[in-house]
Amino acid sequence: NAGVMQNPRHLVRRRGQEARLRCSPMKGHSHVYWYRQLPEEGLKFMVYLQKENIIDESGMPKERFSAEFPKEGPSILRIQQVVRGDSAAYFCASSPQGAKNTEAFFGQGTRLTVV
Amino acid sequence: AQRVTQPEKLLSVFKGAPVELKCNYSYSGSPELFWYVQYSRQRLQLLLRHISRESIKGFTADLNKGETSFHLKKPFAQEEDSAMYYCALRSGSARQLTFGSGTQLTVLP
Repeated sequence: NAGVMQNPRHLVRRRGQEARLRCSPMKGHSHVYWYRQLPEEGLKFMVYLQKENIIDESGMPKERFSAEFPKEGPSILRIQQVVRGDSAAYFCASSPQGAKNTEAFFGQGTRLTVV
Repeated sequence: AQRVTQPEKLLSVFKGAPVELKCNYSYSGSPELFWYVQYSRQRLQLLLRHISRESIKGFTADLNKGETSFHLKKPFAQEEDSAMYYCALRSGSARQLTFGSGTQLTVLP
């Protein structure tokens, strides 16, 4: 099991472009979480998804950000019209079931730089 | 709303010395507390959780509900313990984690 895979590892976008971050959960995991880490800060929860459903998006900015986890394929975090303040490390985690006490496994993150 | 505070951004100790990484939380209910570790160039991984009451790599952490703390301790630090440590809380029925800002531990030879 290769673990949670995120790609790309590094992404550079100009202001106004779109950024797409991908996360493939561990095999057998059906729950995905996205976190953002701004410089000098801890990870902040953004969104929690199950296959084809958004369960909790309370941490997502209201505009320009969206996430999906289709039936087939990776989860995608999409940022439209990026701004300098979107520069951060974006981490994805996955867990096997909905049971609350299961461990979430993290990917290595995507470092987004907006120039 | 829940909050996790790690007051030390940086902590340096000498090899063989005791180490304590502080974590305080605020949450009105009964939280689950975790410590995650990120070694250089590696992914974030779970170190230990309070419900397990276990010792991993010589580290222990006790949940003190009176002081709302979950400090991480190790009696004799090793150089390989140098890493970024994050305290995290999971609350109520939520499955997502609330993280502290992290403490960079450096163990000097």
